[in-house]
Amino acid sequence: DIQMTQSPPSLSASVGDRVTITCRASQAIGVYLNWYQQKSGKAPKLLISAASNLQSGVPSRFSGSGSGTDFTLTISSLQPADFATYYCQQSYAILPFTFGGGTKVEIK
Amino acid sequence: QVQLQESGPGLVKPSETLSLTCAVSGDSFSSYYWSWIRQPPGKGLEWIGYLSDSGNTNYNPTLKSRVSISVDTSTNQFSLELRSVTAADTAAYFCARHRWLQPFDLWGQGTLVTVSS
Repeated sequence: DIQMTQSPPSLSASVGDRVTITCRASQAIGVYLNWYQQKSGKAPKLLISAASNLQSGVPSRFSGSGSGTDFTLTISSLQPADFATYYCQQSYAILPFTFGGGTKVEIK
Repeated sequence: QVQLQESGPGLVKPSETLSLTCAVSGDSFSSYYWSWIRQPPGKGLEWIGYLSDSGNTNYNPTLKSRVSISVDTSTNQFSLELRSVTAADTAAYFCARHRWLQPFDLWGQGTLVTVSS
């Protein structure tokens, strides 16, 4: 299995802060890395695909970067709607598909 | 607008079989893969398995001996069976759509299944 390690597991930040979440794969996965946002009691929502492709309707303050084993999700200016848990997921051609452990973004 | 909707019992007894259905509205099964994903309360996401557009299945090795995914194209639904459940199978279960090597781009709302006597 490809292990996905996210850090930090949680963070506290204020509205307007720049937030960075990292995801590391246990082996190279090219750009087959996706980011999801999940709010309490809801299904995950796809934010970014293929490491850096912002999905339609997702605010431009979200961005993704990386390739190989190291990836980053950045929120340039944190907004109240962004307080949630974020997951990375690899969709490389080695099953099973796996997710990171999640990063919970909380209000400071 | 394509939508996915999970349904099934919210309570299952230990050692019995968990059975869920995902209804797909506004789309057909062609060109997509259809997966089940679960999330224990307060924990992360685990991929269970998929049904491909050609009818092939693939399962997470950790669950492979207990899980089956099937399709009923006449009703545009696909189903999950998880046998011999224990309390560790208590989770929210989601169905999701994707293409090969692509992300899960559409999710159902999820359904909570509790395993308890």
